[in-house]
Amino acid sequence: AQSVAQPEDQVNVAEGNPLTVKCTYSVSGNPYLFWYVQYPNRGLQFLLKYITGDNLVKGSYGFEAEFNKSQTSFHLKKPSALVSDSALYFCAVRDVNDYKLSFGAGTTVTVRA
Amino acid sequence: SAVISQKPSRDICQRGTSLTIQCQVDSQVTMMFWYRQQPGQSLTLIATANQGSEATYESGFVIDKFPISRPNLTFSTLTVSNMSPEDSSIYLCSVEEEERGNIQYFGAGTRLSVL
Repeated sequence: AQSVAQPEDQVNVAEGNPLTVKCTYSVSGNPYLFWYVQYPNRGLQFLLKYITGDNLVKGSYGFEAEFNKSQTSFHLKKPSALVSDSALYFCAVRDVNDYKLSFGAGTTVTVRA
Repeated sequence: SAVISQKPSRDICQRGTSLTIQCQVDSQVTMMFWYRQQPGQSLTLIATANQGSEATYESGFVIDKFPISRPNLTFSTLTVSNMSPEDSSIYLCSVEEEERGNIQYFGAGTRLSVL
């Protein structure tokens, strides 16, 4: 079985401040990890992924995430948040031997001007 | 990434009727998926649709309620049958591109309201 936990329903930051969205996961084997963003009335947009290799992965719109195997975490970060980053963020995991994605509950990010 | 078009983008339906949602991809893909996102909640996988075989349904979802077609490598439909207000959700299709690192890309979704 696999699962994802996003412990924060909401994250509020001021524009220009660092943004962190937390994610922990559980899989029986090795994980593939993903972050997606959903803007109002839109589908999910892929941000970044961890498959193998460097633990720090960089993605779209200045986002990055750090894979930590010992803590089973994959937190999303952005050094300087923008108002336009306000959206719903989902972390997702799959086992390398499976195609099924499991999503976290989502974290609503609000960046205030 | 693949361009995925879903139709309709939204609909309001009466209880007891059925709605068929279409998903068109601009390239050939092996694996297509259908998800449900209930209001304020995360995504739940309904079924996996592979061309040339029956769809594989997840626990809690049955073919009679959510029949799926996959006639070719660029198209799939999901029907929500005998709808009730509890079926009000966003329905999303996605495709996986193995050559692009096993990433699933999503359509914009179909926002369904059942009265």
